[in-house]
Amino acid sequence: NAGVTQTPKFRVLKTGQSMTLLCAQDMNHEYMYWYRQDPGMGLRLIHYSVGEGTTAKGEVPDGYNVSRLKKQNFLLGLESAAPSQTSVYFCASESGALAKNIQYFGAGTRLSVL
Amino acid sequence: GQQLNQSPQSMFIQEGEDVSMNCTSSSIFNTWLWYKQDPGEGPVLLIALYKAGELTSNGRLTAQFGITRKDSFLNISASIPSDVGIYFCAGRAGSYQLTFGKGTKLSVIP
Repeated sequence: NAGVTQTPKFRVLKTGQSMTLLCAQDMNHEYMYWYRQDPGMGLRLIHYSVGEGTTAKGEVPDGYNVSRLKKQNFLLGLESAAPSQTSVYFCASESGALAKNIQYFGAGTRLSVL
Repeated sequence: GQQLNQSPQSMFIQEGEDVSMNCTSSSIFNTWLWYKQDPGEGPVLLIALYKAGELTSNGRLTAQFGITRKDSFLNISASIPSDVGIYFCAGRAGSYQLTFGKGTKLSVIP
């Protein structure tokens, strides 16, 4: 997981609270991704970014917002947390068009919404 | 959206045995990746495959990109206790998004 750092590692929220998850990468990668992992579901893409200032929706974007103001950071926001958002969240980064499609993952943020 | 079927869902094997798992898709992919996830950690890339028919090894691991471009398999030879974890396949059809399988949970009995 070298190079991709996620904070915080754990968080417990009450329904309706908001929070921001931070992902930072020091590999000068162009592409960054946010996934959620639920038991038996594998990883599902929430949002992604192909460059500073750009974001796009993935497979399960509802209830989340993202921002990529700096190339090295990709923020995932929950405006009003719901119990259905209890999950493990992973950030990944990837070099870009000339690289061979390798995504590097952070260690994850474990979020519980009560 | 695209879906990957990964099998088996879980495996219990004796140390020293060989392991085989596979992924199939209803769509064509131009890249197949295999990741391993240890408990409490993020996925780590094991093997990347970029063209149909490609066979690639990484130590005791061997993976192949199916010639139809709709499947891939991963073999682990002579399993050891540290092989325990969840193995994910992932496929890419376009430029950005990866589609992940649901994982194969491997348990190794010493």
